[in-house]
Amino acid sequence: DGGITQSPKYLFRKEGQNVTLSCEQNLNHDAMYWYRQDPGQGLRLIYYSQIVNDFQKGDIAEGYSVSREKKESFPLTVTSAQKNPTAFYLCASSSVRGADSGANVLTFGAGSRLTVL
Amino acid sequence: RKEVEQDPGPFNVPEGATVAFNCTYSNSASQSFFWYRQDCRKEPKLLMSVYSSGNEDGRFTAQLNRASQYISLLIRDSKLSDSATYLCVVNPNTNAGKSTFGDGTTLTVKP
Repeated sequence: DGGITQSPKYLFRKEGQNVTLSCEQNLNHDAMYWYRQDPGQGLRLIYYSQIVNDFQKGDIAEGYSVSREKKESFPLTVTSAQKNPTAFYLCASSSVRGADSGANVLTFGAGSRLTVL
Repeated sequence: RKEVEQDPGPFNVPEGATVAFNCTYSNSASQSFFWYRQDCRKEPKLLMSVYSSGNEDGRFTAQLNRASQYISLLIRDSKLSDSATYLCVVNPNTNAGKSTFGDGTTLTVKP
């Protein structure tokens, strides 16, 4: 079945540590995204990438980094510079091809829940 | 003012009730609109796209009012399984990277 796989599902981090969240998709989607969700709030965009080897900052990119070396993979690193990293992280993908609104539909992974100890 | 605003609720309704959610958006150039459903501690999943002419999918009806810049979701004959948070999503163009999410409206359907 096609989909998006995120790992790990739960992650604990000590202050000052960098951690990397994995996101892999086999939907053949061109675009991939990372969102952060805090309790009772909507999703906020961290980074997104529409093609391999290219990515753009979202609304809250500070303290995060990404890479897009392969179409299928878009890992997110939460660095020690991120002051409040405890959150639910969601990876998503979409097809950028097509003129209709179907190209805007986001498919999400199951999420990674990061807690800073 | 947030770009996309939703009444957070919670909406507590009995089974079989009809419930409606509204979502307002500030960018008049917005082109595409969606409702996503998110269960507790899970990822959002597309419920339905919202088309200019309005659209229906079973018990769910979505409508768009461009003049007043809001979209709505109507759920008829509520089921216990409809309990979830409903997220309104607005795009200014065909680039999903510019999607703006509302904070969500929480619905609890009670027996």
